[in-house]
Amino acid sequence: AQSVSQHNHHVILSEAASLELGCNYSYGGTVNLFWYVQYPGQHLQLLLKYFSGDPLVKGIKGFEAEFIKSKFSFNLRKPSVQWSDTAEYFCAVSTSRSGNTPLVFGKGTRLSVIA
Amino acid sequence: DGGITQSPKYLFRKEGQNVTLSCEQNLNHDAMYWYRQDPGQGLRLIYYSQIVNDFQKGDIAEGYSVSREKKESFPLTVTSAQKNPTAFYLCASRSLGDSYEQYFGPGTRLTVT
Repeated sequence: AQSVSQHNHHVILSEAASLELGCNYSYGGTVNLFWYVQYPGQHLQLLLKYFSGDPLVKGIKGFEAEFIKSKFSFNLRKPSVQWSDTAEYFCAVSTSRSGNTPLVFGKGTRLSVIA
Repeated sequence: DGGITQSPKYLFRKEGQNVTLSCEQNLNHDAMYWYRQDPGQGLRLIYYSQIVNDFQKGDIAEGYSVSREKKESFPLTVTSAQKNPTAFYLCASRSLGDSYEQYFGPGTRLTVT
C-alpha cells in the first residue's frame, strides 16, 4: 500500500524566513499529489495540487511545490513566511487517474511562525 | 452556499454507547469519506463510498459502521467496539470527475469517557 512520509513533525520559523517542508511517497506509478493546510480552528483546505505537466506548481498564499519523480518527493516551499502561515500542513497522494482511490495523507507538519 | 456540514461540532458520550456522526454535502459529489485525525497521526481513512448503497473499509474500519442511502449523506456510527473512540472526525467528499480534490467538512470532536 502506498504511504506518505512527512519528515518534520514541528517546524518553528521566524517571520520572513524561508520554508521547505518535506514530503515523500512510496508508489512507483502515476500519482496525483496534494498539499492541504489546516489553520487553527478552520477546515482543512487545499493549498496546491499536481496532476501532470510542469513539476513546479504554484498554490494559494505564495506557496509552491516541486514534484521530483526520481526522488518520489513533493516538497512544499514558501520564500518568506508570515505569522498567519502558522498551521498544520498535510501532504497527500492519490494513485488513480480516475480519482476513485481515496487520498492517503502524511502525518502532518505543524508550522509555528514567530515574530 | 455549497459545502459539507458536520454536526454536532462537539459530542460527548459515555463509554459503551454507540454514537452517530452526521455528514451532509450539497456539492453533488459522488464519493464521500470519513477520516479520523489524532495528534501526530495525520488523517487515517475509516470508510469511503463512491456510490449510493455501496462503501468500502479504509485502514481503520474496526469499531465503525457507515451507510450511504442518499448521495448527499454519509453518517458514521462509532460503536462500543471501537477501543479508542475519542478523536477528531473529518468528513470529505469528491467528484469522481477530473478534479480529484477532496473537500472537507469542519469536523466533529468526539469525547468518550
